[in-house]
Amino acid sequence: EAGVAQSPRYKIIEKRQSVAFWCNPISGHATLYWYQQILGQGPKLLIQFQNNGVVDDSQLPKDRFSAERLKGVDSTLKIQPAKLEDSAVYLCASSLVQGGPTNEKLFFGSGTQLSVL
Amino acid sequence: AQTVTQSQPEMSVQEAETVTLSCTYDTSESDYYLFWYKQPPSRQMILVIRQEAYKQQNATENRFSVNFQKAAKSFSLKISDSQLGDAAMYFCAYRSLAGYALNFGKGTSLLVTP
Repeated sequence: EAGVAQSPRYKIIEKRQSVAFWCNPISGHATLYWYQQILGQGPKLLIQFQNNGVVDDSQLPKDRFSAERLKGVDSTLKIQPAKLEDSAVYLCASSLVQGGPTNEKLFFGSGTQLSVL
Repeated sequence: AQTVTQSQPEMSVQEAETVTLSCTYDTSESDYYLFWYKQPPSRQMILVIRQEAYKQQNATENRFSVNFQKAAKSFSLKISDSQLGDAAMYFCAYRSLAGYALNFGKGTSLLVTP
């Protein structure tokens, strides 16, 4: 079974530039998550999709971050303009279960490491 | 909001020995889920073990087991017969029944020495 695919693996940009990350979840997984992991911390949820609808984006800095999941499959996370504090690993995860939350297993990608100079 | 605390930034264990990683959490909910995730240098988070709060029996997965103390809000991970491949960051996470997001602790870096 193919895992969660993310690209690019690394990205270096200057502040005020824009950047985009791509995620392709496991086939058939309805739920997709974007997490931000700053160095020395645990991942923090940015946004969750159920199919192509947003379930939770309460911690997404909407003035600079945007995300979409067209056709309920792959997803793109964008930052425009980037700030120094956006330097982090951006992890994508997916899970199979639809409907209410359960203890279902999340499958994570290997993330994109962003450095903002 | 629920908070998860991992008070051990780093731990070290010798190969074949046993190590326990600590985790405490703060919640007012009676039912929830708890998880331990492993993050090797590849950055991919891997589920190690999960526990439903309504289950009194501690979860086990091969060499990994938990000590779940609901009243104390404690959820420690025990790794028996440690192997070099166990070296990684370990994150404790909380998930509410009412919510979707995993709340992670700051992690514990586990070093395994030969």
